[in-house]
Amino acid sequence: AQSVTQLGSHVSVSEGALVLLRCNYSSSVPPYLFWYVQYPNPGLQLLLKYTTGATLVKGINGFEAEFKKSETSFHLTKPSAHMSDAAEYFCAVSDLSFEGGKLIFGQGTELSVKP
Amino acid sequence: DGGITQSPKYLFRKEGQNVTLSCEQNLNHDAMYWYRQDPGQGLRLIYYSQIVNDFQKGDIAEGYSVSREKKESFPLTVTSAQKNPTAFYLCASSISRGTGLYEQYFGPGTRLTVT
Repeated sequence: AQSVTQLGSHVSVSEGALVLLRCNYSSSVPPYLFWYVQYPNPGLQLLLKYTTGATLVKGINGFEAEFKKSETSFHLTKPSAHMSDAAEYFCAVSDLSFEGGKLIFGQGTELSVKP
Repeated sequence: DGGITQSPKYLFRKEGQNVTLSCEQNLNHDAMYWYRQDPGQGLRLIYYSQIVNDFQKGDIAEGYSVSREKKESFPLTVTSAQKNPTAFYLCASSISRGTGLYEQYFGPGTRLTVT
């Protein structure tokens, strides 16, 4: 069965510092991977996705993630944090054994940005 | 504008009462989903539907019921059998079937409080 683990339920960075949110997955087949963001005015917004092809994926708001098959990781990064990046971030993998299009979500990582 | 609407944003009910949460989409998506979000647990799938008049249980369906009479609508009823109904409920939809690329779009959510 597929699963997703996000390392660290809370991450705090200073404004302008590097953002690194970690995500590891388990999957018996090549996965489709997603990062979603949930701002205080909720509802989830898709940040970026990996399907096939280039392993470095760029998303909205300056975020990017790299798919590393050998490490089963899909970490999210942003070179310089902004106060507006404070939110909860969810990594998800598409369960390809589940015809209904199930997404398996990690537990979430809350990002705080200090001035 | 296309999107997913959920109403109401906040809902309060007394214990023992059934309550129905609304979800409507005008994205012409085939598949729709209901998730429950609790702090530190990510999103958990309650029910999903791939086509009209068909739906399947997700991971935590007990105490919930759904219907899919129209492509655009997927209401969720939280019944009195749900032992811990207070939570944030998110509805989602997706366009792609059969490819595994189930990128999901989310509504703004409904926060249900049962006392």
